[in-house]
Amino acid sequence: KQEVTQIPAALSVPEGENLVLNCSFTDSAIYNLQWFRQDPGKGLTSLLLIQSSQREQTSGRLNASLDKSSGRSTLYIAASQPGDSATYLCAVKTSYDKVIFGPGTSLSVIP
Amino acid sequence: AAGVIQSPRHLIKEKRETATLKCYPIPRHDTVYWYQQGPGQDPQFLISFYEKMQSDKGSIPDRFSAQQFSDYHSELNMSSLELGDSALYFCASSLGRGSFPYNEQFFGPGTRLTVL
Repeated sequence: KQEVTQIPAALSVPEGENLVLNCSFTDSAIYNLQWFRQDPGKGLTSLLLIQSSQREQTSGRLNASLDKSSGRSTLYIAASQPGDSATYLCAVKTSYDKVIFGPGTSLSVIP
Repeated sequence: AAGVIQSPRHLIKEKRETATLKCYPIPRHDTVYWYQQGPGQDPQFLISFYEKMQSDKGSIPDRFSAQQFSDYHSELNMSSLELGDSALYFCASSLGRGSFPYNEQFFGPGTRLTVL
């Protein structure tokens, strides 16, 4: 059974710092991995999607990597800003339909 | 670009009442998925439909049912509501489930259901 974990559960950093969020999954048989951002009480904003055959994806200040064999992905955020404060969820697609989410990392960027 | 539309955005119901949530996928998308996110929880997969047929089922209670209509929109029907059903319900859509398991699911803004 696929399980997704995220470390740390919460992170607080001063503005301008670079940071890394970690996601681990137990079964490497995935189709893709996606990183989402969720503001309190709000919907899911897709940040980056990495297909199983890819190693990384970049969008602006965000870079996500995928190491399928070790069951790990990282989301790197450069030059963090207070507007980056949110919960970041990773999710793996394990079948034609099912996406399994991790518990999220709550990020707070202090001005 | 058009996104997934969910209605209503907020819904308040009493215990034992019924609720119907609607999802309108991105145009040309033929597959819809429903997820439930309880307070402080991560989203959990409930059920999915491809070409109007149920394609996969997750942790959906027997009190819930769903269907996909000829125009590809989907409705999640929830009966005998319980306090624990209070959650954010997401719908997602994608194109070509059958041939493209790598396809991205695009998520709607969610419907927040509160059961009093």
